[in-house]
Amino acid sequence: DAKTTQPNSMESNEEEPVHLPCNHSTISGTDYIHWYRQLPSQGPEYVIHGLTSNVNNRMASLAIAEDRKSSTLILHRATLRDAAVYYCILRDFINTGTASKLTFGTGTRLQVTL
Amino acid sequence: NAGVTQTPKFQVLKTGQSMTLQCAQDMNHNSMYWYRQDPGMGLRLIYYSASEGTTDKGEVPNGYNVSRLNKREFSLRLESAAPSQTSVYFCASSKTGISTDTQYFGPGTRLTVL
Repeated sequence: DAKTTQPNSMESNEEEPVHLPCNHSTISGTDYIHWYRQLPSQGPEYVIHGLTSNVNNRMASLAIAEDRKSSTLILHRATLRDAAVYYCILRDFINTGTASKLTFGTGTRLQVTL
Repeated sequence: NAGVTQTPKFQVLKTGQSMTLQCAQDMNHNSMYWYRQDPGMGLRLIYYSASEGTTDKGEVPNGYNVSRLNKREFSLRLESAAPSQTSVYFCASSKTGISTDTQYFGPGTRLTVL
């Protein structure tokens, strides 16, 4: 799996937007960009994923650079409950029925303050 | 829907003791996974099961065995625990093995080996 680079930590004020960057300069054409987050003392949870176009869901937005070498997870209004470690993960498209693994890095620890 | 459940939540073992970590999912998923997370690190894949009746090694399989008991249950066994296996263990499942599928994680088992 191609490697991703994320800042170790970021801070945000509550109710402000947060932009979490991820660099993946060696991404291949079939790699999907996934984001998961891990709240304190919990298992990871899925946030969003995309291939080329920007994506939105109820949790966040994913902005993907035109050359796909970087992406940004956008939380539109951070709350205290968004304090977590956010992981940017590349997953090669596998459609053979073989389980596709998640390769976690160390992620970005997001702190949200009042 | 309970999602992915794991037992026990906490466990302390002495070096050389054995134990089995249990995982069950009620989402009718085909694929299941076991990860470990050491302090300050991302998750690493130990074993996975693409479908009932199949298991494969992940990144760090040494010292572990797994059993896919049926479609719902996937257990992880430590035959002779070592201090290096002190970690938090997460079980996950996904509908299929296709890489765009979301993985759903359990709450984790915190294991300490003395």
